[in-house]
Amino acid sequence: EAGVAQSPRYKIIEKRQSVAFWCNPISGHATLYWYQQILGQGPKLLIQFQNNGVVDDSQLPKDRFSAERLKGVDSTLKIQPAKLEDSAVYLCASSLELGENQPQHFGDGTRLSIL
Amino acid sequence: KQEVTQIPAALSVPEGENLVLNCSFTDSAIYNLQWFRQDPGKGLTSLLLIQSSQREQTSGRLNASLDKSSGRSTLYIAASQPGDSATYLCAVNGNDMRFGAGTRLTVKP
Repeated sequence: EAGVAQSPRYKIIEKRQSVAFWCNPISGHATLYWYQQILGQGPKLLIQFQNNGVVDDSQLPKDRFSAERLKGVDSTLKIQPAKLEDSAVYLCASSLELGENQPQHFGDGTRLSIL
Repeated sequence: KQEVTQIPAALSVPEGENLVLNCSFTDSAIYNLQWFRQDPGKGLTSLLLIQSSQREQTSGRLNASLDKSSGRSTLYIAASQPGDSATYLCAVNGNDMRFGAGTRLTVKP
């Protein structure tokens, strides 16, 4: 079974530029998550999708961050414009369905550096 | 608001030792608690998931316990090996998934 795929692996941009990350979840997984992991901290949930609908985006900084999952499969996360504090690893995870005891499977993440 | 704390932040042990990693959380209204392993530059790999009605889970040399009433979980690693070197994160699943900052484990040959 192929795992969660993310691209790019690394991205370096200057502040105020825009950036986008892509995630392809495990085939058949209905639920998709985006996390932000700042160095030395645990991941923080940004947004959760169930198919193509948003379940939870309460911690997403909506003035600069946006995410979509138009066809209920792949997802993109965008930052526009980027700030220095956005430097982090952005992790995508998926689970088979929505449910409190569904294990999440993580991709290797995109490491974003803001100059 | 759920807060998750992991102690110690870093741990270095010689190969073969048994060790315990600690996780505490402030809100006992949880569905489950999960332990993950994270290798440098990699995503998270799930090790053990303990449902709120369970007291412990075991997988190979790993044993995780959960005391919901006191807001604590421990991850016990038996006979540690250099390949166990990684960061171990606990995550508490309640209204949402909250992670601790992790314990960075180094097992020296």
